[in-house]
Amino acid sequence: DAGITQSPRHKVTETGTPVTLRCHQTENHRYMYWYRQDPGHGLRLIHYSYGVKDTDKGEVSDGYSVSRSKTEDFLLTLESATSSQTSVYFCAISEQGGDSNQPQHFGDGTRLSIL
Amino acid sequence: AQSVSQHNHHVILSEAASLELGCNYSYGGTVNLFWYVQYPGQHLQLLLKYFSGDPLVKGIKGFEAEFIKSKFSFNLRKPSVQWSDTAEYFCAVYETGRRALTFGSGTRLQVQP
Repeated sequence: DAGITQSPRHKVTETGTPVTLRCHQTENHRYMYWYRQDPGHGLRLIHYSYGVKDTDKGEVSDGYSVSRSKTEDFLLTLESATSSQTSVYFCAISEQGGDSNQPQHFGDGTRLSIL
Repeated sequence: AQSVSQHNHHVILSEAASLELGCNYSYGGTVNLFWYVQYPGQHLQLLLKYFSGDPLVKGIKGFEAEFIKSKFSFNLRKPSVQWSDTAEYFCAVYETGRRALTFGSGTRLQVQP
């Protein structure tokens, strides 16, 4: 398995609080991604990064921000968590992005509950 | 925008039955196609991928998929399923010019012993 560590693995918090999820990789891959997984929706892309300090929005980016100050770390922040952000969050990495046959490798996920 | 459709949301089969899961995508240009599997409580794992060449792709654990460009389809098949194949299966597409995958909504497969 690819060296991807997500932390925390589980978190329960209250509406309105800030939350930061961390994704750490040991593969030195250029691309990193944050997805959320919800029943009936599959995986939806929140944000992704194509290099240090280079990030872009995905299809469900509202309410989320990201930062990538080092190749190995990609942080996802919920500035003011809402109940609609209760979900399972997956980080993924890949050597290359689109136009590529390189697959993405996924972390074990973070289960986030917002009460 | 690219969309990926998996029409079978929940499939229940008996062991040894044959499996075919549908995947259709909307993009008309060059695509790279993937099937991922997610076993209960685990992360997504790559089953197989197609990017060029033989449209019949073989993956791990006896799975295969056929790319039919004219039908915008990439269906997953297995001749004889096992109880251990119980999982959720996701089709995903890279389209030219994008940097990220677009996933289908997933198909939950339940194999009964």
